[in-house]
Amino acid sequence: DAKTTQPPSMDCAEGRAANLPCNHSTISGNEYVYWYRQIHSQGPQYIIHGLKNNETNEMASLIITEDRKSSTLILPHATLRDTAVYYCIVRVGSNAGNMLTFGGGTRLMVKP
Amino acid sequence: DGGITQSPKYLFRKEGQNVTLSCEQNLNHDAMYWYRQDPGQGLRLIYYSQIVNDFQKGDIAEGYSVSREKKESFPLTVTSAQKNPTAFYLCASSAHREGNQPQHFGDGTRLSIL
Repeated sequence: DAKTTQPPSMDCAEGRAANLPCNHSTISGNEYVYWYRQIHSQGPQYIIHGLKNNETNEMASLIITEDRKSSTLILPHATLRDTAVYYCIVRVGSNAGNMLTFGGGTRLMVKP
Repeated sequence: DGGITQSPKYLFRKEGQNVTLSCEQNLNHDAMYWYRQDPGQGLRLIYYSQIVNDFQKGDIAEGYSVSREKKESFPLTVTSAQKNPTAFYLCASSAHREGNQPQHFGDGTRLSIL
């Protein structure tokens, strides 16, 4: 699976959009981009995933660059409950082990 | 509501004792997984199962055992052979054993040694 690079921490004001970047310059054509978040002492929560088109759901939007070497997770109106560690994961959809490899992630702090 | 239920939330093990962590899902998912998370670190795969009555070792299977007798259940036993069992254990499931379906996680079991 391709390696990802994320900033270790970010701050965001409550009510503003949080834009979390992820670099995956070695991504290959059949690898998907997944985003999860983990609040302290809880299991990771799936947010969104995509292959090459931008995606949106009730939680967030995922913007993938045309060359697929980077992506941005957008939380349109951050709340205090969005404070968590956010993980960007790149994985082949049909990986035989189907396991997830979590890197360091970005610790997002939403402030009042 | 559909989801993944892990129990207990906290578990204590004595030296030389085997303990079993429960994981149940009512999402009708084919695949199930067990991960271990140590403080400040990412997840490491212990075992996974893509279909009933079949399972495969992950990266750190030594000292652990699993069974998959029912689609909705994937219990993990931490045996006395696991010398450093203190960790946060996470169970996950996904809809298909192949494809791009995301994994969904339970809330974890925190295991400690007495």
